Amino acid sequence: KAGVTQTPRYLIKTRGQQVTLSCSPISGHRSVSWYQQTPGQGLQFLFEYFSETQRNKGNFPGRFSGRQFSNSRSEMNVSTLELGDSALYLCASSLAGRGPGANVLTFGAGSRLTVL
Amino acid sequence: DQQVKQNSPSLSVQEGRISILNCDYTNSMFDYFLWYKKYPAEGPTFLISISSIKDKNEDGRFTVFLNKSAKHLSLHIVPSQPGDSAVYFCAASARGNMLTFGGGTRLMVKP
Repeated sequence: KAGVTQTPRYLIKTRGQQVTLSCSPISGHRSVSWYQQTPGQGLQFLFEYFSETQRNKGNFPGRFSGRQFSNSRSEMNVSTLELGDSALYLCASSLAGRGPGANVLTFGAGSRLTVL
Repeated sequence: DQQVKQNSPSLSVQEGRISILNCDYTNSMFDYFLWYKKYPAEGPTFLISISSIKDKNEDGRFTVFLNKSAKHLSLHIVPSQPGDSAVYFCAASARGNMLTFGGGTRLMVKP
């Protein structure tokens, strides 16, 4: 069973540009979440999508947005990039149902964004 | 306001001995707790979890203990192996998929 796939794995952008990251969840997983990992702030929740709807949102500015498609694939976008947006962006998927294991997130390898 | 804290940034243990990683939380609404392991250049990998209705869950060499009154959980690894060397994150959720992570503890298991 294929895991969570994130593309691209590495990218370099300059301040002011925008970036789109892609995530393909595990087959059958309906929930996709995004996290940002930085050395100073650790792993922070960005947002969660379920059935093409944003279900939860973390404490990030509106420059960070996302969407989910009907096949559960998800994209996140960061506009007007700042130096502080340099981070590892992790996507995770889950069954999002009820019962044990429904809340267990399976993470992808991440997309490492460097903003110059 | 850090709702989940791992106060030890690093831990060094001899191979074969027990590793104990600790985690404290402040939010009483958390009802599900998880431990993840992370190697460099990889995403976190799920290790073990525990529901707030339990106080212990065991899976092979890994055991998680939950003390709700103290708002404290711990991960025990017995016996520790060099391949266990990684960064360990505890995480908590309150009725949903939004996980709040601790800052991580780097475990080094020496041969």
